[in-house]
Amino acid sequence: DGGITQSPKYLFRKEGQNVTLSCEQNLNHDAMYWYRQDPGQGLRLIYYSQIVNDFQKGDIAEGYSVSREKKESFPLTVTSAQKNPTAFYLCASSISTGRETQYFGPGTRLLVL
Amino acid sequence: AQKVTQAQTEISVVEKEDVTLDCVYETRDTTYYLFWYKQPPSGELVFLIRRNSFDEQNEISGRYSWNFQKSTSSFNFTITASQVVDSAVYFCALVNQAGTALIFGKGTTLSVSS
Repeated sequence: DGGITQSPKYLFRKEGQNVTLSCEQNLNHDAMYWYRQDPGQGLRLIYYSQIVNDFQKGDIAEGYSVSREKKESFPLTVTSAQKNPTAFYLCASSISTGRETQYFGPGTRLLVL
Repeated sequence: AQKVTQAQTEISVVEKEDVTLDCVYETRDTTYYLFWYKQPPSGELVFLIRRNSFDEQNEISGRYSWNFQKSTSSFNFTITASQVVDSAVYFCALVNQAGTALIFGKGTTLSVSS
């Protein structure tokens, strides 16, 4: 089955700790995205990548980092610089950026201990 | 600036009622793309429809229909004969000016009771 997988489903972070959220897709899509969702809010773009070895900051990139070493994978690291990391994180992919339909993974819920 | 407004925060209906979810957008682009997504309690966003600004025809897919009106910058979504399984948060979204990502509204929570 083609799709997007995210792991883990739940993640707990201690103060001062960096954590990495995994996102993998087997749809052969060039573009991948990370969004953050807070309760009662829409999704906000953290980072996006149009192609392997390239990525760009979105609206709320501070405190986050990404890499895109393989077409299938776009991991997101939440660093200790992100002071309010508790949120639901959604990864998406599309054939190419922007106007094409984005398909989403099941999400990772990050909680701070 | 680009913006998507979903003024209805929560809607509650009884099964078999029809319900319309409103979406108003702002953009200066002459060519743009709009989307609707459904987010069930599991959390994953499910794609429902993509519409470009050139195509003003209304679309129907089973119990779902969409009314796109450029004159009022609206892209409303109607569910006919609602069912309990329709209970979810529904998001309207617009492609940003750079064409690189989506701008989402805050969503409308639909609760359908039996």
